[in-house]
Amino acid sequence: KAGVTQTPRYLIKTRGQQVTLSCSPISGHRSVSWYQQTPGQGLQFLFEYFSETQRNKGNFPGRFSGRQFSNSRSEMNVSTLELGDSALYLCASSPYDTMNTEAFFGQGTRLTVV
Amino acid sequence: GESVGLHLPTLSVQEGDNSIINCAYSNSASDYFIWYKQESGKGPQFIIDIRSNMDKRQGQRVTVLLNKTVKHLSLQIAATQPGDSAVYFCAEKPNAGKSTFGDGTTLTVKP
Repeated sequence: KAGVTQTPRYLIKTRGQQVTLSCSPISGHRSVSWYQQTPGQGLQFLFEYFSETQRNKGNFPGRFSGRQFSNSRSEMNVSTLELGDSALYLCASSPYDTMNTEAFFGQGTRLTVV
Repeated sequence: GESVGLHLPTLSVQEGDNSIINCAYSNSASDYFIWYKQESGKGPQFIIDIRSNMDKRQGQRVTVLLNKTVKHLSLQIAATQPGDSAVYFCAEKPNAGKSTFGDGTTLTVKP
């Protein structure tokens, strides 16, 4: 069974631009979560989707948004990029709703904002 | 606010020794506590979790201990191997809420 796939793996953007990251969960998994990982802040929760509905949201500005499609694939968008948005963005999927603890992570998308 | 922290940012052990990685948490309402392992260039990988109504859970070569009195979580790795070298994160999660991760402990296994 294929794992969680995130595309692209690496991305370089300029301040002020917007970016869309994609996540394909493991087949059959309906829950997708997004995290931002930086050396200074560690792993910070962004949002969680289950069956196309946002279940939880972290403490990030409105520039960060996401959505989930009917096939469980998810995208996150960051508008008006800032230098501080440079990070590894991780997506995780799990087969159940938010009560399940085991999440399967992708390799992440490394975003660099210049 | 809620926070999950680890006692030491780095830990170095000799191959074959046992490793103990510690974590302190502050949210008493958490229902699950989870340990993840992240190797260089990869996403975190689930190791083991424990429910808040338990104090010990064992997996393959790993044991998680939960002390709710002092809000302390630990991960014990038996017979540590070079392949165990990674960053280890603890996380806490309420039943219907988001996971909150600690800062991570880098485990280095010396041959």
